[in-house]
Amino acid sequence: SSKLTQPPSVSVSPGQTARITCSGDALPRKYAYWYQQKSGQAPLLVIYEDTRRPSGINERFSGSSSGTMATLIITEAQVDDEADYYCYSTDINGDQIFGRGTKLTVL
Amino acid sequence: QVQLLQSGAEVKKPGASLKVSCKASGDSLNTYAVHWVRQAPGQGLEWMGWIKANSNDANFTKKFQDRVSITRDTSASLVYLEVSRLTSEDTAVYYCATAVVAVGSGAADFWGQGTLVIVSS
Repeated sequence: SSKLTQPPSVSVSPGQTARITCSGDALPRKYAYWYQQKSGQAPLLVIYEDTRRPSGINERFSGSSSGTMATLIITEAQVDDEADYYCYSTDINGDQIFGRGTKLTVL
Repeated sequence: QVQLLQSGAEVKKPGASLKVSCKASGDSLNTYAVHWVRQAPGQGLEWMGWIKANSNDANFTKKFQDRVSITRDTSASLVYLEVSRLTSEDTAVYYCATAVVAVGSGAADFWGQGTLVIVSS
């Protein structure tokens, strides 16, 4: 299928580890990217090429990928991590696509 | 580092056309692939299409293929998004963004501030 599937919401307590999954048929062959978007702001790249972290992104953010699933992992989650998170990749037809987003709540 | 500045908010009538610009400062936008992404109110991100670096070769998702174009003005280091036959469903914030590029020992992409487009009669 030409889509990326994410859970609509994930909730954790401060200090816990948050895991946000993204499944897609092309992920075994295509990289996943992860964006954080806070209200009223442009998206911010937090993970690229499945596991790599851009400069300036907190090391609490990491990524993994196995088969048709990519995962964004946020360790020691903080209230400031509350945001919408989107996975992004290439579908089987070669188009770029976003997942529908996951709202992370830390409380 | 490159910074992207987009043109200002617009209000359009249904059936009209839209043209949003994206200009770089700090570097030439000509050397970057540029994507356009939109976000309807309260909704997720939607990829529309992209234009390749140093080229006018553009590709779009099938949903937009017949009414969207992306072009460059290389002399002004600008990229344009044009959308025709607007409907209320095109009401959204439109973002330009560079592709992820190598920066130092890592990588980054760069986003414009977004352009709010309202389509209303």
